[in-house]
Amino acid sequence: ILNVEQSPQSLHVQEGDSTNFTCSFPSSNFYALHWYRWETAKSPEALFVMTLNGDEKKKGRISATLNTKEGYSYLYIKGSQPEDSATYLCAFYGGSQGNLIFGKGTKLSVKP
Amino acid sequence: DGGITQSPKYLFRKEGQNVTLSCEQNLNHDAMYWYRQDPGQGLRLIYYSQIVNDFQKGDIAEGYSVSREKKESFPLTVTSAQKNPTAFYLCASNLGGNTEAFFGQGTRLTVV
Repeated sequence: ILNVEQSPQSLHVQEGDSTNFTCSFPSSNFYALHWYRWETAKSPEALFVMTLNGDEKKKGRISATLNTKEGYSYLYIKGSQPEDSATYLCAFYGGSQGNLIFGKGTKLSVKP
Repeated sequence: DGGITQSPKYLFRKEGQNVTLSCEQNLNHDAMYWYRQDPGQGLRLIYYSQIVNDFQKGDIAEGYSVSREKKESFPLTVTSAQKNPTAFYLCASNLGGNTEAFFGQGTRLTVV
């Protein structure tokens, strides 16, 4: 069973704080690393799909980096807003196996 | 509109009965996935399919069965052999591992 770890499990920040989460994944058979945001009562929505070592992606105040050699990815949120409150999931895709394995997620709560 | 549809949203079944959860997509996606979520747990992979008429077991396939007779459809049957079937079930699809996955709204199954 592939192990995809996310930390922290939960995070409480004040509006305006910047924050970051970690996703650790196997460094072998890497094909892609996904990040999703899952808001309560909604379906998960994709933030980024990253495939290249050293890749950095940005969408508004959210950005992500990828290190495939050491098996980790960081998700950064700059100036957190209450609407950023959600569970952030990462998922590892190992091309040789063809499955998409998720971590348990980081639950972010942003207080106004 | 293109999307992925799960039905029903809520399902109640008596213990010992098989039940089939529907997942349909009109996104022309090759890959489809079934996940299960329990309280405090992440998304755990049950089955996945990369192509029509082919599917693979995920990490927790015992007590479940699937079929992929059409590209658009990937139904999941929860059999009486599944010891703890009460859970939230999510279906997803994508073009392949390096593309974002789209999720259905989920089915909450309660077995009494």
